[in-house]
Amino acid sequence: QKEVEQNSGPLSVPEGAIASLNCTYSDRGSQSFFWYRQYSGKSPELIMFIYSNGDKEDGRFTAQLNKASQYVSLLIRDSQPSDSATYLCAGANAGGTSYGKLTFGQGTILTVHP
Amino acid sequence: KAGVTQTPRYLIKTRGQQVTLSCSPISGHRSVSWYQQTPGQGLQFLFEYFSETQRNKGNFPGRFSGRQFSNSRSEMNVSTLELGDSALYLCASSRTTSGANVNEQFFGPGTRLTVL
Repeated sequence: QKEVEQNSGPLSVPEGAIASLNCTYSDRGSQSFFWYRQYSGKSPELIMFIYSNGDKEDGRFTAQLNKASQYVSLLIRDSQPSDSATYLCAGANAGGTSYGKLTFGQGTILTVHP
Repeated sequence: KAGVTQTPRYLIKTRGQQVTLSCSPISGHRSVSWYQQTPGQGLQFLFEYFSETQRNKGNFPGRFSGRQFSNSRSEMNVSTLELGDSALYLCASSRTTSGANVNEQFFGPGTRLTVL
């Protein structure tokens, strides 16, 4: 079992719809979670991070964390064609030997069609 | 504030050669992490440096090494290159990391290494 798994995708949504990206993790020591967006040929760009259970909103993006269920999600409201990219979920362990290490899922390709 | 910079952006090497990649973090960031990204394995953690010390290392062979300088700039070196080392090498900088949390990491543009 991979440590961080994302819904396989690819995910295709119409412009203006809500895109829902999901991620589960197996390491209960994971404390912090990050969502990155990666356009083709580019490096990952940080969109959101979340440390606490519940929801965190930033503009059109909402990250949700449920530590009991080991589940993280990213909702993108009013999806735009410019949101078309690969979305990467990453977790970080709080343990003292885990400095600087993010464990990434395999990514979900999102396509927003006009 | 300038972002993370990496040089060179592209490299072509042959098997058996060695390569050195450079990363300059965001000003004020003291932690630099390195990752390898391939289509098959995704993003995998190589190592992390903080205050010139390697604090964490991923599951890569000893051919992969790195260092950090007093100005927080970091280099990674791959010796005896293999075809499978062809990948996008990314560095990410962070303000700091503690035992409690990994702070947000910001990635550079990457170095695309091709081994022939």
